[in-house]
Amino acid sequence: KQEVTQIPAALSVPEGENLVLNCSFTDSAIYNLQWFRQDPGKGLTSLLLIQSSQREQTSGRLNASLDKSSGRSTLYIAASQPGDSATYLCAANQAGTALIFGKGTTLSVSS
Amino acid sequence: DAGVIQSPRHEVTEMGQEVTLRCKPISGHNSLFWYRQTMMRGLELLIYFNNNVPIDDSGMPEDRFSAKMPNASFSTLKIQPSEPRDSAVYFCASSSGAANTGELFFGEGSRLTVL
Repeated sequence: KQEVTQIPAALSVPEGENLVLNCSFTDSAIYNLQWFRQDPGKGLTSLLLIQSSQREQTSGRLNASLDKSSGRSTLYIAASQPGDSATYLCAANQAGTALIFGKGTTLSVSS
Repeated sequence: DAGVIQSPRHEVTEMGQEVTLRCKPISGHNSLFWYRQTMMRGLELLIYFNNNVPIDDSGMPEDRFSAKMPNASFSTLKIQPSEPRDSAVYFCASSSGAANTGELFFGEGSRLTVL
């Protein structure tokens, strides 16, 4: 059964810093890997979707990479801003299954 | 598009009562998912439907939980009888294609408190 792990559980950085959030998964036969953002009391907002044939996806200051052989994905945030403060979750699935989620990394960006 | 719509947003009930949560997926999406989120366990898949048919309900905790999708635009998650340990945020999500394709979009969630 696929397991998704995110370390660290929390991260604090000063504004302007570039940072990397980590996600690992146990089964490399994934189909999709998706990164989400969750603000307190809100639902999940999709940030980036990487399909199995892809190595990375970019959207604005965000870049997500996927290395299936090592069972890892990273979310790179450039020039962090206080508005980036939120919980970031990654999720992965295999063929015919729904997304399995990590427990997230809570990011705090101070001004 | 209005996105995934869930109701109610908040529900407070007493142990033993029946709870019904509702979800309207994004129009045109044919996969629908129910997840539960708690601090201890994070986000857990309860059940998902494809073309209104339940595909995987292995995450449904026990017989007290049931889910239906009578048509492509509506789904319910029912808990009867409710227990305090059911307190959580319940999310509905939808995507286009089968379960392993397409981007997943979430509703705002239904926060359930069972006293």
